[in-house]
Amino acid sequence: GAGVSQSPRYKVAKRGQDVALRCDPISGHVSLFWYQQALGQGPEFLTYFQNEAQLDKSGLPSDRFFAERPEGSVSTLKIQRTQQEDSAVYLCASSTRTGLNTEAFFGQGTRLTVV
Amino acid sequence: AQSVSQHNHHVILSEAASLELGCNYSYGGTVNLFWYVQYPGQHLQLLLKYFSGDPLVKGIKGFEAEFIKSKFSFNLRKPSVQWSDTAEYFCAVKGYSTLTFGKGTMLLVSP
Repeated sequence: GAGVSQSPRYKVAKRGQDVALRCDPISGHVSLFWYQQALGQGPEFLTYFQNEAQLDKSGLPSDRFFAERPEGSVSTLKIQRTQQEDSAVYLCASSTRTGLNTEAFFGQGTRLTVV
Repeated sequence: AQSVSQHNHHVILSEAASLELGCNYSYGGTVNLFWYVQYPGQHLQLLLKYFSGDPLVKGIKGFEAEFIKSKFSFNLRKPSVQWSDTAEYFCAVKGYSTLTFGKGTMLLVSP
């Protein structure tokens, strides 16, 4: 596809359930980012990949959050034992490369609601 | 660490009014600056960006922003807003790798 694709668009999980969110970046984009956007807030950085290497995971809020990008393309964000505070929109973005003077393109996000 | 501060959380304007949304950032090195817009129910879209050169940048839909390095500011402007500009606006700063966003400004334009 032409843009960043995320699935599912909406996910309702019961508290304690594990969830997996998928991101298909723009083909050929080296860098991939995950952000969390709580209601009424700006996107908050979670983690970042360059190809298959996870270079920064400083934004992951707890060890229940895990992200991978095993072949340097599709990425999955996994949340174990979901809690109500995990309810948010999870955004994925990709860019052609790391560094300055690059633009990130965002997907439509996955809205996670934990009940 | 980089951070972004947006001055107003909510702005209400009438159509044809002028708009200025404030954005200040903190970062110790060279930065790229962005304004993104999020229309209701839609994904983040890039309005404009500053990488280098002319500090006055023009974006889509008549928006522009001015980078003032001495003030660490990147304010967004539009001379005459339309009802269709109702959306949430995010300022963002990028160092070498990651984007850092402000908390956003919700703009409501009344017809």
